[in-house]
Amino acid sequence: DGGITQSPKYLFRKEGQNVTLSCEQNLNHDAMYWYRQDPGQGLRLIYYSQIVNDFQKGDIAEGYSVSREKKESFPLTVTSAQKNPTAFYLCASSIDPAGNTEAFFGQGTRLTVV
Amino acid sequence: AQSVTQLGSHVSVSEGALVLLRCNYSSSVPPYLFWYVQYPNQGLQLLLKYTSAATLVKGINGFEAEFKKSETSFHLTKPSAHMSDAAEYFCAVNADTGRRALTFGSGTRLQVQP
Repeated sequence: DGGITQSPKYLFRKEGQNVTLSCEQNLNHDAMYWYRQDPGQGLRLIYYSQIVNDFQKGDIAEGYSVSREKKESFPLTVTSAQKNPTAFYLCASSIDPAGNTEAFFGQGTRLTVV
Repeated sequence: AQSVTQLGSHVSVSEGALVLLRCNYSSSVPPYLFWYVQYPNQGLQLLLKYTSAATLVKGINGFEAEFKKSETSFHLTKPSAHMSDAAEYFCAVNADTGRRALTFGSGTRLQVQP
């Protein structure tokens, strides 16, 4: 089946550690996105990529890093510089790099700092 | 710049009653508009989208939305609520302003009372 796979579903991180969230898509979409979701704040854009080997900062990029070495993959690293990383993270993809079509979402990764 | 405002973080209706979820957008150019639904601990699923064709857009699960340029609104409606409609709903906008990603509202949680 075509879709977006995020792993793991739940992730626990100790303070001061970096963690990487995986996002893979087999939809042959050019654009991929990472959003962070907190209660009552909707979805906020962290990073997005319109094409392989290129990505742009979103609204809340500080403390995060990404790479786009393959069209299918867009991993997100939450670094120790992110002061409040506990949140629900959603990966999405879109066929249109301009972002003017709908985005398809993965099932999310819930990150908790312990 | 583009933005979305969803009025009412929580809406409660009785089963069989009309559902009305409000969304107002801000955009300096003609927008593309979307409604998504999210069930607990899951990703977002597209309900419907407006891409400058018909102003009345029909989506899945009996939902529809009307684009009103004069009011900068894109409210979501359903004539008769069902228990399974209980979820969180997000309005999103994209416009050709250089930002190549959807901007989301803060969401409205719909509760359906038996």
